Amino acid sequence: NAGVMQNPRHLVRRRGQEARLRCSPMKGHSHVYWYRQLPEEGLKFMVYLQKENIIDESGMPKERFSAEFPKEGPSILRIQQVVRGDSAAYFCASSLGNEQFFGPGTRLTVL
Amino acid sequence: GENVEQHPSTLSVQEGDSAVIKCTYSDSASNYFPWYKQELGKGPQLIIDIRSNVGEKKDQRIAVTLNKTAKHFSLHITETQPEDSAVYFCAVTMNSGYSTLTFGKGTMLLVSP
Repeated sequence: NAGVMQNPRHLVRRRGQEARLRCSPMKGHSHVYWYRQLPEEGLKFMVYLQKENIIDESGMPKERFSAEFPKEGPSILRIQQVVRGDSAAYFCASSLGNEQFFGPGTRLTVL
Repeated sequence: GENVEQHPSTLSVQEGDSAVIKCTYSDSASNYFPWYKQELGKGPQLIIDIRSNVGEKKDQRIAVTLNKTAKHFSLHITETQPEDSAVYFCAVTMNSGYSTLTFGKGTMLLVSP
């Protein structure tokens, strides 16, 4: 049973470009969470989605960030007009209940 | 919102020693407490968890204890090995239909041979 998959693993963008991060949950999991990890910090919750629905986006910045989890395909975290402060590791997790299983993350570097 | 404090931030031990990492939380409604291990360049891996109706849980060399009255819980690793070296995170959540995790800031554990 494949674990949570994320791609790309590393992403480099220049300021003002768009970043798209993809997450495929574990088979059978319908809950997806996105977290951001700044250097030497813990993970901070961003958004929780179920298929075609955003359930909780209380951790998402109000501007430039959006997320979706379509009926078919992976969940997407989209960052428009990236700035240097967006440089971080972005992790997604999937679950059926309490237990969350994390992917390997996407490390975004904004030049 | 929930606030999670984790100590120490770094911990160095000799191989074979025990290691203890402690976390405190603020919301008494929290009832699920997982611990994650993160190796360099990888995602967090769930290593053990405990629910509020249990005071202690053990899995081989790893144990977690929970004191709901004092709102703190601890990770205990016995007979440490160099491969235990990693960053460990505690997390907390309420079972409110879904489980958004609030994480501590992590403990870097270094086990020297």
